[in-house]
Amino acid sequence: AQKVTQAQTEISVVEKEDVTLDCVYETRDTTYYLFWYKQPPSGELVFLIRRNSFDEQNEISGRYSWNFQKSTSSFNFTITASQVVDSAVYFCALSDPHSGNTPLVFGKGTRLSVIA
Amino acid sequence: NAGVTQTPKFRVLKTGQSMTLLCAQDMNHEYMYWYRQDPGMGLRLIHYSVGEGTTAKGEVPDGYNVSRLKKQNFLLGLESAAPSQTSVYFCASSYGQAADTQYFGPGTRLTVL
Repeated sequence: AQKVTQAQTEISVVEKEDVTLDCVYETRDTTYYLFWYKQPPSGELVFLIRRNSFDEQNEISGRYSWNFQKSTSSFNFTITASQVVDSAVYFCALSDPHSGNTPLVFGKGTRLSVIA
Repeated sequence: NAGVTQTPKFRVLKTGQSMTLLCAQDMNHEYMYWYRQDPGMGLRLIHYSVGEGTTAKGEVPDGYNVSRLKKQNFLLGLESAAPSQTSVYFCASSYGQAADTQYFGPGTRLTVL
């Protein structure tokens, strides 16, 4: 069965610091997809990125970057020069074609607080 | 283009009461989902639908029913609400299942007294 572990429950950083959010996943499939979502204090879930299992290239989008390593089953998310607006709960999620009754499995989330 | 909308945004029920949550999407997505979010638990799938007229159970289906009579709407029903169903409910939709991104509605905060 698929599983996503976000070991960091809460992280607190000072503005302008870099911060990495960890995500470790388990799946028996060779084809799968990984996602990151952001949930700001307002409560909505905002899609950030999707990555398929055959694309191990790192991704950079502005201050955000993602490091996908199949060898360690990890899909970590780094925010460079953090800002107060980055304060949110971040969820990592896993989806695979043989997922049965759970098409998308979420981790329990990491709450990031960026202090001015 | 409103994306995914949910009605109502907040609701308070007494134990034993019933209610229906409405989800609507205007992206012509085939797949729709209902999740609940509880503190420290992340999001858990209640039911989902792979197309009009179809429904399937997710991880935590007990106490809930769903219907997908129209492609754009996905209803979640609580027949006899219990305090354990106090939660934030999110609806999502996607073009496909595993491969495609799920887009979420703003959520409904439900309290059962």
